[in-house]
Amino acid sequence: RKEVEQDPGPFNVPEGATVAFNCTYSNSASQSFFWYRQDCRKEPKLLMSVYSSGNEDGRFTAQLNRASQYISLLIRDSKLSDSATYLCVVNLDSSYKLIFGSGTRLLVRP
Amino acid sequence: DVKVTQSSRYLVKRTGEKVFLECVQDMDHENMFWYRQDPGLGLRLIYFSYDVKMKEKGDIPEGYSVSREKKERFSLILESASTNQTSMYLCASSFHNTGLAYEQYFGPGTRLTVT
Repeated sequence: RKEVEQDPGPFNVPEGATVAFNCTYSNSASQSFFWYRQDCRKEPKLLMSVYSSGNEDGRFTAQLNRASQYISLLIRDSKLSDSATYLCVVNLDSSYKLIFGSGTRLLVRP
Repeated sequence: DVKVTQSSRYLVKRTGEKVFLECVQDMDHENMFWYRQDPGLGLRLIYFSYDVKMKEKGDIPEGYSVSREKKERFSLILESASTNQTSMYLCASSFHNTGLAYEQYFGPGTRLTVT
């Protein structure tokens, strides 16, 4: 089983749609969780950290379910500029090493 | 703003050449990392360093070495470049805290082609 698993997509949605991505992780000792965004041929950039209580940043909401070991990202009112690959990231055990999922590709169409 | 810079955006080298990739960060981060990213394989950790002169192997260290002589600088060395090392190389840095992983900040990447 992969340490971090994501649906590769692509998710093809119209502008204004709400889209959700899920990610599962295998190590119950993981304590740090993030979503990164990566544009084509660019470096990954931190989108948001994921906290136990869930957190929201504008149109983006992240949730953590420790019991089921999954993380979700919800994007409301999708914009064309949201088109990118979204990487789910979890730390390995309780260390400072991060494990990156292979990413979920999102395409937002006009 | 955190800034991580890499010495080259694009690099073309011949098989057997020694290749140096340099990374500099300006946020006084203790941790620095080198990854490679290939289509379908995602980001894979080559080496990381949590302090000056300290280094640990990642998941795919074979064919690579690293050097960290100063806190802000982390170099990746390909001792004898091979075609299967053609890839995008990404450097990252983060704060350090035992038992906790802080977010990592990435440089723009170096696209290396070995012919």
